[in-house]
Amino acid sequence: EPEVTQTPSHQVTQMGQEVILRCVPISNHLYFYWYRQILGQKVEFLVSFYNNEISEKSEIFDDQFSVERPDGSNFTLKIRSTKLEDSAMYFCASRGQGPSTDTQYFGPGTRLTVL
Amino acid sequence: GDSVTQMEGPVTLSEEAFLTINCTYTATGYPSLFWYVQYPGEGLQLLLKATKADDKGSNKGFEATYRKETTSFHLEKGSVQVSDSAVYFCALKVSGNTPLVFGKGTRLSVIA
Repeated sequence: EPEVTQTPSHQVTQMGQEVILRCVPISNHLYFYWYRQILGQKVEFLVSFYNNEISEKSEIFDDQFSVERPDGSNFTLKIRSTKLEDSAMYFCASRGQGPSTDTQYFGPGTRLTVL
Repeated sequence: GDSVTQMEGPVTLSEEAFLTINCTYTATGYPSLFWYVQYPGEGLQLLLKATKADDKGSNKGFEATYRKETTSFHLEKGSVQVSDSAVYFCALKVSGNTPLVFGKGTRLSVIA
């Protein structure tokens, strides 16, 4: 069964450093998402991406964040200058197109620790 | 804004016990409702969903009924197994392309 994959599973970085979290969505999916979960808190939406552009973003997704689909298979989330409060589990998700494909399929997550 | 409230965990049950995890929501319009499950070391997996009032979603012995009058979508299972130990997330989506809004998650531990 096709699945969403994410790398790395755990990333440790120093405050102020740039990190890139990688996701490979399911191959025929067209909608892509990033969510995050700070320890003990809710899973929060960050950004959605369709047709090579951002379709929606939350107030969390400020200028420090960017997304890219560089090669037609990977979907990346970049944090330019990490802060302590960026420590969280980051989930990538993808979805097919059409009313019968409204389910978002999630990857296993990347745990980001900012020191 | 749209929101989901789940019962606080952790929930610890003995094998074959009855499970209820409460979920209530606040939303504009008529959302679709979902339960996702996260097994240890894995991603979020869709467990079941319901797209309109009075629909019942079911999968793997779990059930949840979309109750518009009480704005609830409680998850139930008649007899839990050790393998059901996981974190369960209730979520809603207001329309096709909108993002999911999640509850905090409820950790379930089932002991033999």
